[in-house]
Amino acid sequence: GAVVSQHPSRVICKSGTSVKIECRSLDFQATTMFWYRQFPKQSLMLMATSNEGSKATYEQGVEKDKFLINHASLTLSTLTVTSAHPEDSSFYICSARIPRRTSGGISQETQYFGPGTRLLVL
Amino acid sequence: AQTVTQSQPEMSVQEAETVTLSCTYDTSESDYYLFWYKQPPSRQMILVIRQEAYKQQNATENRFSVNFQKAAKSFSLKISDSQLGDAAMYFCAYRISGTYKYIFGTGTRLKVLA
Repeated sequence: GAVVSQHPSRVICKSGTSVKIECRSLDFQATTMFWYRQFPKQSLMLMATSNEGSKATYEQGVEKDKFLINHASLTLSTLTVTSAHPEDSSFYICSARIPRRTSGGISQETQYFGPGTRLLVL
Repeated sequence: AQTVTQSQPEMSVQEAETVTLSCTYDTSESDYYLFWYKQPPSRQMILVIRQEAYKQQNATENRFSVNFQKAAKSFSLKISDSQLGDAAMYFCAYRISGTYKYIFGTGTRLKVLA
């Protein structure tokens, strides 16, 4: 299957600093990527949809000035956590969408997930 | 609003036995997709199986199969001949029609006993 990478896999930073997380599609072009947040023992919560060449779409309750998303190329989306605080500590996961068409023209899309980035803010 | 509910926080199964994980969802859409994802300790999300709502036939992938009951809005996952490597968190997910956004359930932790 398709491969999505994330870097770094783990980051520890001081409160008030900014942290950038990269999400790359390694063997395909992804016009749309998604950023999720997962708290311990909880489900994935969609934060935003990242579209190549345009502004990201944020879910309700997610601060766009806090979580800056840039999707400058078809293989790279970045999430920057600005002025990070301890409550931002979490597991951040990206996914990339591959739209597929069957012979009947019906979309059978697939999303591939990155391995995640664990952020710890001290 | 679309919601996905997994009522079993944790399940256990003996190795080589069969286990069924439950999932229900709420939607007013008629065309959508449902998924089961596996998240092992590595935290890497892995697609287990996918079901298109317009298909009546239940999806099957080797030892994994689903029981899709559209009228009841139920989408359970059956794992046959359970293996130690099946131990993981399993998330049921629904794809919002037209937006490509996924809604995930709260997950079921599956333990496989040797």
